[in-house]
Amino acid sequence: DAGVIQSPRHEVTEMGQEVTLRCKPISGHDYLFWYRQTMMRGLELLIYFNNNVPIDDSGMPEDRFSAKMPNASFSTLKIQPSEPRDSAVYFCASSPGMNTEAFFGQGTRLTVV
Amino acid sequence: EDQVTQSPEALRLQEGESSSLNCSYTVSGLRGLFWYRQDPGKGPEFLFTLYSAGEEKEKERLKATLTKKESFLHITAPKPEDSATYLCAVQGGSTLGRLYFGRGTQLTVWP
Repeated sequence: DAGVIQSPRHEVTEMGQEVTLRCKPISGHDYLFWYRQTMMRGLELLIYFNNNVPIDDSGMPEDRFSAKMPNASFSTLKIQPSEPRDSAVYFCASSPGMNTEAFFGQGTRLTVV
Repeated sequence: EDQVTQSPEALRLQEGESSSLNCSYTVSGLRGLFWYRQDPGKGPEFLFTLYSAGEEKEKERLKATLTKKESFLHITAPKPEDSATYLCAVQGGSTLGRLYFGRGTQLTVWP
């Protein structure tokens, strides 16, 4: 397996624009996580899914953020409208079970100007 | 509310100088403690999982241990290629599946 695949690797957008980040988890993994990493706050969990169903979205900062998982092999994280403070590295991770290790993608570096 | 605290924030070692990184946690009902390594510009890479106090795991120059309140990552005779940020994460508490990450220890090993 190629691991968790995220796209794009880098995204630069203007404030107010819609941004969509994409993730393909490892095949067979039942859990999918979206994290955000900044120097100030470190790694923060935004939302996670189990069998394509959102379980905990308490980390989503505002209504401008939304995430979907239409099937077991694809998830999106959307920010609309984007703001400069959303600039960060966004990671997607997947794991095969509840108490098992998560495997991370390479991340998407988002810059909102 | 900090649930995972890592120390030190940064550590510089000379090649061959052994040391330990600390991860203390306060989450109730620990289900697992995870160590990751992160290189600049990359995602965290899984190293170890520990589930119960007294458990130990080893991989090359790294050894992870777990007590009821903290975990240590021991690095024996480090090499420059061990330079990275080491992250600790715990799973537990009231929300199943959620991982709480520490801020990490940035390790630099110089030759």
